[in-house]
Amino acid sequence: EAGVTQFPSHSVIEKGQTVTLRCDPISGHDNLYWYRRVMGKEIKFLLHFVKESKQDESGMPNNRFLAERTGGTYSTLKVQPAELEDSGVYFCASSPTTYGYTFGSGTRLTVV
Amino acid sequence: GDSVTQMEGPVTLSEEAFLTINCTYTATGYPSLFWYVQYPGEGLQLLLKATKADDKGSNKGFEATYRKETTSFHLEKGSVQVSDSAVYFCALSDDYKLSFGAGTTVTVRA
Repeated sequence: EAGVTQFPSHSVIEKGQTVTLRCDPISGHDNLYWYRRVMGKEIKFLLHFVKESKQDESGMPNNRFLAERTGGTYSTLKVQPAELEDSGVYFCASSPTTYGYTFGSGTRLTVV
Repeated sequence: GDSVTQMEGPVTLSEEAFLTINCTYTATGYPSLFWYVQYPGEGLQLLLKATKADDKGSNKGFEATYRKETTSFHLEKGSVQVSDSAVYFCALSDDYKLSFGAGTTVTVRA
């Protein structure tokens, strides 16, 4: 079975620009999560979808971040406008229930 | 809130050396504990887990025991290989959300 796919794998953008990250979960996984690791620190939870609904977005840092999950399939995470402190690695994961995560390879975002 | 503290790296070892990465946690409930690993250029992979006190998780020669009395989940491997070079993350979960430590970079030299 195909794993969790994220793209792009790397993105370098200028401060103030917009970037959209995409995550394709494993087919049939209702639960989709976004996490990020900033500045080599701990990986932190951003939000959790069940199908197309946001169940928990308590980890979203501010309103410059917008996550969507179209039709309960793939998800996008948009950062607009990007700031320097948004640089880091953004991980997506999916699971059939609330256990059994499968993570993607991550998107490394660099804001310059 | 729940939190995880793990040994800071980087850690550099020779092949066949013994590896220990310390991990302690703070949690209000009875969480499950995990070790995840990220090999160069790859995603996070579950290495092992333990769901209750005194459980031992093991995989690929790595072991960790859930110690409730010391709130610890230290990772050990008796003889590391170059292929074990990676970033290791300790994590806990008592619901759907994972709380991670900062990660420990391990480099094994031939």
